[in-house]
Amino acid sequence: ETGVTQTPRHLVMGMTNKKSLKCEQHLGHNAMYWYKQSAKKPLELMFVYSLEERVENNSVPSRFSPECPNSSHLFLHLHTLQPEDSALYLCASSLQVRNQPQHFGDGTRLSIL
Amino acid sequence: GQQVMQIPQYQHVQEGEDFTTYCNSSTTLSNIQWYKQRPGGHPVFLIQLVKSGEVKKQKRLTFQFGEAKKNSSLHITATQTTDVGTYFCAGPNTGNQFYFGTGTSLTVIP
Repeated sequence: ETGVTQTPRHLVMGMTNKKSLKCEQHLGHNAMYWYKQSAKKPLELMFVYSLEERVENNSVPSRFSPECPNSSHLFLHLHTLQPEDSALYLCASSLQVRNQPQHFGDGTRLSIL
Repeated sequence: GQQVMQIPQYQHVQEGEDFTTYCNSSTTLSNIQWYKQRPGGHPVFLIQLVKSGEVKKQKRLTFQFGEAKKNSSLHITATQTTDVGTYFCAGPNTGNQFYFGTGTSLTVIP
């Protein structure tokens, strides 16, 4: 139990589908992150939220749309994805943004058909 | 652009041998964090170093942050099968952009 819960654990979707990934943290942290982890690539930071405000967007395609309704919840809305988007999507949280240790969820394994 | 490279990419060791992974950043880092990801798992925070030249130990693990705050190392003494996984360094640069290293995958042969 990491204190960061991601759902679903696995997701298979077609390129025309719309789905959402959910992340919830029970640690009282103020910062939340989305990462993409592909095989043979380093962890790629996608989005950073601090107190529900997006503070970093690392040139992520618009087919990925984050939402942070409060400091405990983070969503990643997906639409019109491409096969190369198949990866493990990890959510993390930290007490403050960037300089604090990050606690990761178990991730959502996403497969695009 | 910013790069945080780790070498080696893969390392196979016999149980009981030592292991070292090196982390090199193209720019100065404000601090360095180390994470371990077991196969099929998620990254788990191990330690954070902040000061130039800092050395910290956790049982068989020794972490070092370089004087220029651009490199770091993790050394494991007498590896055990429980040490298997991928070790990542990570940290924010002075512009507060956060990067993970490329990782070193450790296999321990019993």
